[in-house]
This record gives sequence, structure tokens and C-alpha cells, in this order.
Amino acid sequence: GAGVSQTPSNKVTEKGKYVELRCDPISGHTALYWYRQSLGQGPEFLIYFQGTGAADDSGLPNDRFFAVRPEGSVSTLKIQRTERGDSAVYLCASSRATNTEAFFGQGTRLTVV
Amino acid sequence: ELKVEQNPLFLSMQEGKNYTIYCNYSTTSDRLYWYRQDPGKSLESLFVLLSNGAVKQEGRLMASLDTKARLSTLHITAAVHDLSATYFCAVAYLNDYKLSFGAGTTVTVRA
Repeated sequence: GAGVSQTPSNKVTEKGKYVELRCDPISGHTALYWYRQSLGQGPEFLIYFQGTGAADDSGLPNDRFFAVRPEGSVSTLKIQRTERGDSAVYLCASSRATNTEAFFGQGTRLTVV
Repeated sequence: ELKVEQNPLFLSMQEGKNYTIYCNYSTTSDRLYWYRQDPGKSLESLFVLLSNGAVKQEGRLMASLDTKARLSTLHITAAVHDLSATYFCAVAYLNDYKLSFGAGTTVTVRA
């Protein structure tokens, strides 16, 4: 497809479980971002990739969160030992280059019960 | 830390009337974006404003930027029902890639 694709669109998991959220960026976009949007709030930055490397992971809330982008395209956000406070919509965005306009996917709504 | 404040947070509009949403930010920025978000959907880019005095218009929406005042406005002319959505402004530091978002303005247009 032409846009950023995220799967799954919804994920319900039990507290303490491990989850993976996937992001397929727009083809040719080298920059990839993850944001988290809690209910009633604006998105908050989590991590930024330029190519395969995580150039800035300063927004990850703690060491239960990790993200990879091994081939410079698809990225996976991984959350260990999920907590109820992790419930949010996780948005992925990509841009052609750093500092150019980012385009967002539809998000993954994560619910931890 | 770059802080972005939007107001109002909620806006009930009457069809046919004009309204303005305000976005203030705390430090120097070189890029300001306006996004629209429908319930359960992702962010749709509306405008990118890159310089002081920039003004962009699309249909009933017009956005402007005053970098000296660190203020952007989104003006809605003659509101119609299909403009009901949440509108976010987002700002990036000079030469930075991270966007800092406002809390959003939820707009409801009533007949």
C-alpha cells in the first residue's frame, strides 16, 4: 500500500505478557518514528530510527520497551511484562528523510487487562 | 523541553459560524504542523508552516504562524458538520526530528 501500515490494529493482552507491534513504513522512507497516544492526549515521542539504527530512544518510558528495525524498513516495537498503564494507541510514522514531513499509520490500540 | 499548548481543548461550533483554535509553543521552532484525527483513525496532515508569517488555506480551514509570538492559529470559516474531529498542532525544534504535540482540540459542529 501507499501509506504506513501497522499491525495488528487492536491488541488485547493480559498483564505481564509480552507483545510485539509491527510497522511497515512508506517504501523508500529512511526515517521511522514511534509515538504513543494515551486517551485524550496528543502523541508522545518514543523512538526514532534513521536506517537500521535507533538514533534516539530517549522517549522509551523504561527498559521494558524496545524497538528494532533490522533491515531499515519494517520496525517492531516490543513490550515486555506489560502493565495496565501501557494501554494506549501506538502510532508509527515515516518520512523520506530526517526533518521532512512524517506520515502516520492508523495505529495499534493496545489494551492490557 | 518544548511545550505546546492548545486552546480551547473542546469547541462546540454552530454550523455556519467562524471559530479559531490557538497553538502556543515554548521555544524556537522551524516547523509547525496541523493534523486532523477522526475517532479511531490516525493523524491526517492538514498544513505544514515553515516560516514567520506563513499562511495556508484549504477549503474552510486556514492556518497561520507567528514565530515571534510563538503562536499558530487554525481558523475555521462557516463550520460544517464534516469538520467535527480532533485537531492537533505539533512543533519541532530547530533541526530536530521529534514532534511535540499539543493535547488536541475536539471540535463538534452542531446544526
